[in-house]
Amino acid sequence: AQSVSQHNHHVILSEAASLELGCNYSYGGTVNLFWYVQYPGQHLQLLLKYFSGDPLVKGIKGFEAEFIKSKFSFNLRKPSVQWSDTAEYFCAVKRWGATNKLIFGTGTLLAVQP
Amino acid sequence: KAGVTQTPRYLIKTRGQQVTLSCSPISGHRSVSWYQQTPGQGLQFLFEYFSETQRNKGNFPGRFSGRQFSNSRSEMNVSTLELGDSALYLCASSPRTSGISSYNEQFFGPGTRLTVL
Repeated sequence: AQSVSQHNHHVILSEAASLELGCNYSYGGTVNLFWYVQYPGQHLQLLLKYFSGDPLVKGIKGFEAEFIKSKFSFNLRKPSVQWSDTAEYFCAVKRWGATNKLIFGTGTLLAVQP
Repeated sequence: KAGVTQTPRYLIKTRGQQVTLSCSPISGHRSVSWYQQTPGQGLQFLFEYFSETQRNKGNFPGRFSGRQFSNSRSEMNVSTLELGDSALYLCASSPRTSGISSYNEQFFGPGTRLTVL
């Protein structure tokens, strides 16, 4: 069965530090990949998505992610975090050509200290 | 354009009761999916509807059901509530189902917080 692993459950960083959150999935076929963010008290918002083409995708608020097919990974990065990036981050996978069903990772809670 | 709306936002029920949650997708969106979010299990897929037809169902008991109306609005129902059903129930809409195209992203609503006592 498909699964998504996010290895970092809690991450604490100081402002201006660099961020990398890991995401690995298990599925041998073609996939679409997503990172969602949930700010405190707000609903899930899409940060970025990968459908095809350039494996390095850029999203909102300076986030980017790299799809490495050989490693089944889609890690999220940001060069310099801000206090406002404090949120929970979810990686999600969808099978290509299947339904809209998303398989989510367990999430990473990021706390940025001013 | 208005986003995905869910009603009610908060709900308290007791064990054994049933509950109906409602979701109105973004105007023009025809696909609606439901997810359950809990601290222990994270975000889990419940079901997906497109053009009033259930296209996919997650691994939940038959107490969880849903439907979609001709205007794309969707409802989900949970019968015989259990304490473990306490969760945030999220609805997501998208313009189409991936059976037509995989270039498809979903937009989430604020959720309905269900507490079962």
